[in-house]
Amino acid sequence: GAGVSQSPRYKVTKRGQDVALRCDPISGHVSLYWYRQALGQGPEFLTYFNYEAQQDKSGLPNDRFSAERPEGSISTLTIQRTEQRDSAMYRCASSFSGGTSGSLSETQYFGPGTRLLVL
Amino acid sequence: KQEVTQIPAALSVPEGENLVLNCSFTDSAIYNLQWFRQDPGKGLTSLLLIQSSQREQTSGRLNASLDKSSGRSTLYIAASQPGDSATYLCAVRRRAAGNKLTFGGGTRVLVKP
Repeated sequence: GAGVSQSPRYKVTKRGQDVALRCDPISGHVSLYWYRQALGQGPEFLTYFNYEAQQDKSGLPNDRFSAERPEGSISTLTIQRTEQRDSAMYRCASSFSGGTSGSLSETQYFGPGTRLLVL
Repeated sequence: KQEVTQIPAALSVPEGENLVLNCSFTDSAIYNLQWFRQDPGKGLTSLLLIQSSQREQTSGRLNASLDKSSGRSTLYIAASQPGDSATYLCAVRRRAAGNKLTFGGGTRVLVKP
């Protein structure tokens, strides 16, 4: 399809395990974003990339969280030594432009999310 | 720090009534503001993006207004339908925060047939 895709859609893991969440952005989109959403709240920013360069990782909660986008397309968000508080919906978004004009090309399009449950 | 607030948290209206959803933000130095729709088990669907230089944006039955000076945006949905039932989120891009979106908590809308 033409939209943002994420896999897996659901992930159940045991505390202490590492997990890798994948995001496939819309083809040709320069910017890719990761957000985390708790139940009943709006998404919160984690990190974003322009092409393969990680531009801002200020939202990553601690050093157990990392993200990469090595070829400027698919991105992986990795959580090491998972904890129960990491349980949430992880959402990926992409935009055609990573500019700062505020224009329509900067519209962020979201994928369906990966629901992570840490037992 | 930017704070985005959406009140009320939930809203129920009879079919056919117009919907008015409110979004307020504390930092008026924004690039743009986006309205999203969220359906259970699905992703966020972008409805409208209003650039900071615009006062309003329209798409079909949807109309969004932006008043930067007062830090407010309003999403109007005309002649609501049961299919409009969803959670509506607003998000702003602050000039001081690069490309990240700061979201409100959302308004959960139920349109009764």
